[in-house]
Amino acid sequence: QVQLQESGPGLVKPSQTLSLTCKVSGVSISSGGNFWTWIRQYPGKGLEWIGYIYYSGRTYYNPSLMGRPTISLDTSKNQFSLKLTSVTAADTAVYYCAKHWGVNWFDPWGQGTLVTVSS
Amino acid sequence: EIVLTQSPATLSLSPGERATLSCRASQSVSSYLAWYQQKAGRAPRLLIYDASNRASGIPARFSGSGSGTDFTLTISSLEPEDFAVYYCQQRSNWPLTFGGGTKVEIK
Repeated sequence: QVQLQESGPGLVKPSQTLSLTCKVSGVSISSGGNFWTWIRQYPGKGLEWIGYIYYSGRTYYNPSLMGRPTISLDTSKNQFSLKLTSVTAADTAVYYCAKHWGVNWFDPWGQGTLVTVSS
Repeated sequence: EIVLTQSPATLSLSPGERATLSCRASQSVSSYLAWYQQKAGRAPRLLIYDASNRASGIPARFSGSGSGTDFTLTISSLEPEDFAVYYCQQRSNWPLTFGGGTKVEIK
């Protein structure tokens, strides 16, 4: 059974870099064919897909985020990470990691972690 | 980017009633649409993929239909555990996008 668990600081100051980690259990993140993704949910409940990383290390990001996110793999720890630079209050959200299922559906998801951007 | 518009924003129904939720895409997504259920304080859960296929473990009272730009999620007879927020998501074009959600609340 695949499980994902997000972790990271719950409070980040404006202009700084948000850093989150997603620990994966039940499958190797370097297994062929797997995509791993970050999604966020705003306080008003809207969902936004941030980007994915393929098991090979290839990445693709939502163009709306203007080059700010970076997703990377750490195969030694079976986890992947998100860095989001130059954050503002608009980046306040619950951040989820998820595994792609089928062709670009999301299942399962982690439990989510709230990140607040405030001085 | 493809915009998904869900309606209504809120649906007030009683247990046992039929729920019909709509998702409209700003351009055709073929059948590349999914539905998720989100309960308070929990992550979304995949219900339906490719417009009409139930994900593993999803009860038969959930069904999806549609293609192109208009899609429907139907819950044939609401159980108490079905009161939640439902989101649609498309995978036809990048970036992947979600609708704004429909809340199904107890009347």
